[in-house]
Amino acid sequence: DGGITQSPKYLFRKEGQNVTLSCEQNLNHDAMYWYRQDPGQGLRLIYYSQIVNDFQKGDIAEGYSVSREKKESFPLTVTSAQKNPTAFYLCASQIGTGKGYGYTFGSGTRLTVV
Amino acid sequence: GESVGLHLPTLSVQEGDNSIINCAYSNSASDYFIWYKQESGKGPQFIIDIRSNMDKRQGQRVTVLLNKTVKHLSLQIAATQPGDSAVYFCAEWGFSGNTPLVFGKGTRLSVIA
Repeated sequence: DGGITQSPKYLFRKEGQNVTLSCEQNLNHDAMYWYRQDPGQGLRLIYYSQIVNDFQKGDIAEGYSVSREKKESFPLTVTSAQKNPTAFYLCASQIGTGKGYGYTFGSGTRLTVV
Repeated sequence: GESVGLHLPTLSVQEGDNSIINCAYSNSASDYFIWYKQESGKGPQFIIDIRSNMDKRQGQRVTVLLNKTVKHLSLQIAATQPGDSAVYFCAEWGFSGNTPLVFGKGTRLSVIA
């Protein structure tokens, strides 16, 4: 079955460490997105990519980095520069770009800094 | 900043009653809206969408109403069931070009059995 897979489901990080969250899709979707979700704040856009080898910053990109070397993969690195990384991270993909194409979301990764 | 918001952060309804979840938007240029449902610990799932050339759109047990005059949309769920308990988000497009969806903060719907 086609879908979008995020791993791991739970991740613990020590302060000062970088950590990478995986997002893989086999839907042949063009665009991919990373959102952060905190309680009471909805979904906030971190980074997005509409084509391989290209990506754009979202509203809260500071302290994060991404790459899009393959169409099916869009990993997110949470760096030590991110001051409050504990959150639920959601990856989404979109068959086209722009309006009219809904997003398909993964099941999320819950990151906790210990 | 976000232009999509919600009137109520939480909503409790009796099983079998109808639910109405509201959403306000501030950008009059927004012309396409989507409602998502997010169950605990999962990613959001598409429920229904509506374009600005429509006032109403119906799905299975759900109806979305769009009032462009007051920049408001609502999601109505008929005969609410325990499985409807979740957080509901509205999201909008329309700023320009290929900019991503903007999500509201969400409303938590709790169904009382």
